[in-house]
Amino acid sequence: AQSVTQLGSHVSVSEGALVLLRCNYSSSVPPYLFWYVQYPNQGLQLLLKYTTGATLVKGINGFEAEFKKSETSFHLTKPSAHMSDAAEYFCAVSDGSHYQLIWGAGTKLIIKP
Amino acid sequence: DVKVTQSSRYLVKRTGEKVFLECVQDMDHENMFWYRQDPGLGLRLIYFSYDVKMKEKGDIPEGYSVSREKKERFSLILESASTNQTSMYLCASSPLTRTYEQYFGPGTRLTVT
Repeated sequence: AQSVTQLGSHVSVSEGALVLLRCNYSSSVPPYLFWYVQYPNQGLQLLLKYTTGATLVKGINGFEAEFKKSETSFHLTKPSAHMSDAAEYFCAVSDGSHYQLIWGAGTKLIIKP
Repeated sequence: DVKVTQSSRYLVKRTGEKVFLECVQDMDHENMFWYRQDPGLGLRLIYFSYDVKMKEKGDIPEGYSVSREKKERFSLILESASTNQTSMYLCASSPLTRTYEQYFGPGTRLTVT
């Protein structure tokens, strides 16, 4: 069975610092991988996705993620945090054979001024 | 752009009431989903539908039912609301493609008193 693990329910960084949110998955087949962002009291918005091809994926708002098959990871990064990045971030995986996405538990990103 | 709308952003109901949450998508997507989101528990799938009149139980279907009479509309029904159903409810849709990327509505925050 597939699973997704997000390390750290809360991550705190200073404004201007590097953001790194970790996501590891287990899948027996090449996965499709997603990062979503949720701002307070809103729905989820797709940040970026990996399907096939280039393993470094660029998303909205300056975020990017790298698919590393050998490490079964899809960590999300941003070089310089902004106050507006404060939100909850969810990693999800699909193996393409089911309707559902398997979700991580989410990581709340806190930005310190 | 895909648009998923939910009938209410905030809803307050009394214990024992029948509650209808409506979700409409305008992109002709085959798949639709209802999730609930609670602090520390991430997203949990209640029901999903892969076609009109077709539905499948998710991880936590107890106390809920769904209806999909038209492709664009997916309703979540709480037959007799209870206080433990106080939560954020998120609707999503996805096309029938290999990646199963999901698009979310803004959410309904339901309080049962």
